[in-house]
Amino acid sequence: DAGITQSPRYKITETGRQVTLMCHQTWSHSYMFWYRQDLGHGLRLIYYSAAADITDKGEVPDGYVVSRSKTENFPLTLESATRSQTSVYFCASRLKHDRGGDIQYFGAGTRLSVL
Amino acid sequence: KNQVEQSPQSLIILEGKNCTLQCNYTVSPFSNLRWYKQDTGRGPVSLTIMTFSENTKSNGRYTATLDADTKQSSLHITASQLSDSASYICVVIMNRDDKIIFGKGTRLHILP
Repeated sequence: DAGITQSPRYKITETGRQVTLMCHQTWSHSYMFWYRQDLGHGLRLIYYSAAADITDKGEVPDGYVVSRSKTENFPLTLESATRSQTSVYFCASRLKHDRGGDIQYFGAGTRLSVL
Repeated sequence: KNQVEQSPQSLIILEGKNCTLQCNYTVSPFSNLRWYKQDTGRGPVSLTIMTFSENTKSNGRYTATLDADTKQSSLHITASQLSDSASYICVVIMNRDDKIIFGKGTRLHILP
């Protein structure tokens, strides 16, 4: 199916475990993003990527690692999960219009619980 | 500091009524502003996008306005439906580095 898909949709893990959240888009958008959404904070940018092999830190990158070996995939890894990383994670890709506007397309989210 | 503030935090209205959500921003330099709708358990979906020169844009029963001078935007929903129950997020894009600034959203509940 075309679009942006995240997997898994739900994940429960234990403190200290490594967890990888997957994100795949079929549009070949150059930009991809990872956000976390927590009550009272709205969406906060973790990492983003402007193209394959180019990644940059966002607002809250500590404890996370990303890679972008292919344009269509942008996995997010929690190297040693902590309870504070319990959250809903959204992946997004971005289409930039020539007229200056642009649209971000979001995945359905991954709800992660760290016990 | 570049910020996007939304009000109210939450809103409850009866089906069929109209409502207006507010967004104030201090982001500069400004590129464009968009409103997203986020249904419970889903990712945000774009409703409208407005650049500096646009002061109103409609998408069905949704009408967004932008006053770039006062740095305010509003989202007006006409003849609300139960399916309008969602969070509405105001997002501002900076002209420099294309940085994206999210508001915390307004949670809208439509009662039958």
